[in-house]
Amino acid sequence: GDSVTQMEGPVTLSEEAFLTINCTYTATGYPSLFWYVQYPGEGLQLLLKATKADDKGSNKGFEATYRKETTSFHLEKGSVQVSDSAVYFCALSRLFDRGSTLGRLYFGRGTQLTVWP
Amino acid sequence: GAVVSQHPSWVICKSGTSVKIECRSLDFQATTMFWYRQFPKQSLMLMATSNEGSKATYEQGVEKDKFLINHASLTLSTLTVTSAHPEDSSFYICRQWTGGAYGYTFGSGTRLTVV
Repeated sequence: GDSVTQMEGPVTLSEEAFLTINCTYTATGYPSLFWYVQYPGEGLQLLLKATKADDKGSNKGFEATYRKETTSFHLEKGSVQVSDSAVYFCALSRLFDRGSTLGRLYFGRGTQLTVWP
Repeated sequence: GAVVSQHPSWVICKSGTSVKIECRSLDFQATTMFWYRQFPKQSLMLMATSNEGSKATYEQGVEKDKFLINHASLTLSTLTVTSAHPEDSSFYICRQWTGGAYGYTFGSGTRLTVV
């Protein structure tokens, strides 16, 4: 079945450091891929998405490229800020296929990122 | 983008009482609502999927009689935790599904504490 494997945390970085959070997936066909961010005590916010192979999602300096050959969707940011401290979730979904899993999101375990000034 | 209003944002209740959590779609009609539970420092666990006008579909291991889900209209879905106990304390989050490219919106979550 569909699943997401996400890099275990926590990740601790200094401000302006480079960030990579690895995410790989298992799925048949062509799922859509997402990164969500969760700040303490809040719900999840969509950070970026990609709906087909080789798409690059980007937002707020974060980027991730849908790599079908490696079944990966790694999150990167060139220079993190203290305000980026949060939990990041990789997820996949089938938005356009038919079937009982339509619209369902499969989440990774989440990666806690802490950025120090 | 789509907006989901979830209330209350936090609630403290006594053991044995029931608590209702509402998720309201403000600008789209949510055909489907997903309900999640999140334990501290863990990922989201899908509890059930509700569709407007039909019974909810519960995930394996989730008690239907304890977690009552109602989706009476296209804009409102509710989760009622019945006879709550301290082990039901958790963070509950809803997510609306409107199909296609608009199915991304989560509610802000409800922190339930049962004392």
